[in-house]
Amino acid sequence: DIQMTQSPSSLSASVGDRVIITCRASQSISMYVNWYQQKAGKAPKFLVYAASTLQSGVPSRFSGSGSGTDFTLTISSLQPEDFATYYCQQSYNVPLTFGGGTKVEVK
Amino acid sequence: QVQLQQSGPGLVKPSQTLSLTCAISGDSVSSNSAAWNWIRQSPSRGLEWLGRTYYRSKWYNEYAVSVRSGIIINADTSKNQFSLQVNSVNPEDTAVYYCARGGQLSNHWYFDLWGRGTLVTVSS
Repeated sequence: DIQMTQSPSSLSASVGDRVIITCRASQSISMYVNWYQQKAGKAPKFLVYAASTLQSGVPSRFSGSGSGTDFTLTISSLQPEDFATYYCQQSYNVPLTFGGGTKVEVK
Repeated sequence: QVQLQQSGPGLVKPSQTLSLTCAISGDSVSSNSAAWNWIRQSPSRGLEWLGRTYYRSKWYNEYAVSVRSGIIINADTSKNQFSLQVNSVNPEDTAVYYCARGGQLSNHWYFDLWGRGTLVTVSS
């Protein structure tokens, strides 16, 4: 199975900050990475697919990049509604697997 | 507007079978462009994909056997829904279970629509 390792596991930030979350795959997976946002008590929300393509309706302050084994999700200017936990997920092969999550907290 | 409505018991006894159903509105379980997934989440193991069913001229099922064996996912075309069965549960199967639609673009699969989740507790 492909392991997805996210870092950091949590971070503290302020509104307006630039936030970068990283995700590393245990093997090369081209650009087969998706990103999700989850708020407490809610289902994950789909943000990015194919490493860098924003889902329709996702604000442009979110961006994804990377290929091979290393990927990043960037929030260019953190907004109050962005405090949440973010997960990467590989779709290179089955079983589909997720990273452990990065919790973005208020500083 | 596509929606997924989950149903099923929130409490299951050890060694029994966990059964959940996900009813689809606004899309078809027989869609040639979607897959129908079950995912669970627990504090100890995070998000775990359990498996999926999808139709591409015939039915396909794929399971995460390394996560959990004894899983069956079925589609019911007459009711436009799909189901999850987990056999012989134990307390480690306690989790929030989600159904999710899998979308696909150029071989990239993603989960673009999720049910609200069902907390299933395994306890006697």
